Amino acid sequence: DAGVIQSPRHEVTEMGQEVTLRCKPISGHNSLFWYRQTMMRGLELLIYFNNNVPIDDSGMPEDRFSAKMPNASFSTLKIQPSEPRDSAVYFCASSFRGLDSAKNIQYFGAGTRLSVL
Amino acid sequence: ELKVEQNPLFLSMQEGKNYTIYCNYSTTSDRLYWYRQDPGKSLESLFVLLSNGAVKQEGRLMASLDTKARLSTLHITAAVHDLSATYFCAVDMANNAGNMLTFGGGTRLMVKP
Repeated sequence: DAGVIQSPRHEVTEMGQEVTLRCKPISGHNSLFWYRQTMMRGLELLIYFNNNVPIDDSGMPEDRFSAKMPNASFSTLKIQPSEPRDSAVYFCASSFRGLDSAKNIQYFGAGTRLSVL
Repeated sequence: ELKVEQNPLFLSMQEGKNYTIYCNYSTTSDRLYWYRQDPGKSLESLFVLLSNGAVKQEGRLMASLDTKARLSTLHITAAVHDLSATYFCAVDMANNAGNMLTFGGGTRLMVKP
């Protein structure tokens, strides 16, 4: 398996522009997570989907952030309008949650490094 | 609110030495994960600890879990330069609807020759 695939790897944009980050989870996984990593705040969970349904979005910082998962193999995280304080590395992770949920290991993508100027 | 604290935040050690990284968490949980992150890279799963007293070992790394003390340790034996990375523990809150993880702040390990 190719693992969790994120695109783009790097994004540089100007304040006020819309930014869309993309994620393809591991095939067969039914849970998907979006995280943000900064030096100041560490690794923060933004939103979590289970079977394509958003379960918890309490980590989404503001209404400027939105996430969708239209099907089991694709998710987007959108920031509109973007601000310099949104600059961070955004990770997508996926896992399989089943009857034997003992492990639930999350596998992370390579991340998208976002710079908002 | 679940809080996960790691210490130390930064560790510089000589090759061949032993050291332990600590991970404390604030609420009941019986699932704890350790991840490794190399600079500019993604997070890689190292260990999953699923019960009180669980111990896992891989090479020079050994992780353990004490759910009563709400403490996990990551012990490094005879460190080598290749172990230089940032190590995160993450806790899965018991009885939640999904495996939402709360991460510690990370321990940046530098192993000097």
